Amino acid sequence: DVKVTQSSRYLVKRTGEKVFLECVQDMDHENMFWYRQDPGLGLRLIYFSYDVKMKEKGDIPEGYSVSREKKERFSLILESASTNQTSMYLCASSVRAVTSYEQYFGPGTRLTVT
Amino acid sequence: AQTVTQSQPEMSVQEAETVTLSCTYDTSESDYYLFWYKQPPSRQMILVIRQEAYKQQNATENRFSVNFQKAAKSFSLKISDSQLGDAAMYFCAYRSEVWIQGAQKLVFGQGTRLTINP
Repeated sequence: DVKVTQSSRYLVKRTGEKVFLECVQDMDHENMFWYRQDPGLGLRLIYFSYDVKMKEKGDIPEGYSVSREKKERFSLILESASTNQTSMYLCASSVRAVTSYEQYFGPGTRLTVT
Repeated sequence: AQTVTQSQPEMSVQEAETVTLSCTYDTSESDYYLFWYKQPPSRQMILVIRQEAYKQQNATENRFSVNFQKAAKSFSLKISDSQLGDAAMYFCAYRSEVWIQGAQKLVFGQGTRLTINP
């Protein structure tokens, strides 16, 4: 089974703190994604990575950065957390192939910024 | 840009009955994929069913089936014989055939929370 894990299920941080969310997948997938999930808005793509050290902005990259130093690990960084970044963050991974259909998701990290 | 709309924030159904979740999308592309994902409470999101736009036949996976109307840009999910384990948030998603650096982005709808009444 594909396994995508995220470092924390729940996280509480203060405004202005630097926050790291970690994601690890064990299926040697090339692609990794970070989404945020908000009620009434669904999932929105923040950033994705198609290879080690490679990244592309998604639809809402402002206030976030990412790092992918190893193939299995993809980190989301909030340089200076703000209250409007309180949300559920989901990581996903997928094979890079035309016939690839599915993204595999982690359990999510619920981040609260106070 | 593609958009996906789920107009039903919440739905409920009696156990063993059938329920249909609605999804519409907007695109100018002719080739694409559509998906329904399920997110159970406090559990990971999983793929329920997919539909390739070039296929006229509606996809079916056990109790789950879709009604894909390409001209109307509609993609509804029908759950037959609803079970308590079907209770979840359901997301409709669109995936373009266009690759961006080898990755194909998903565009999600707002989600529909499905409750199963025993």
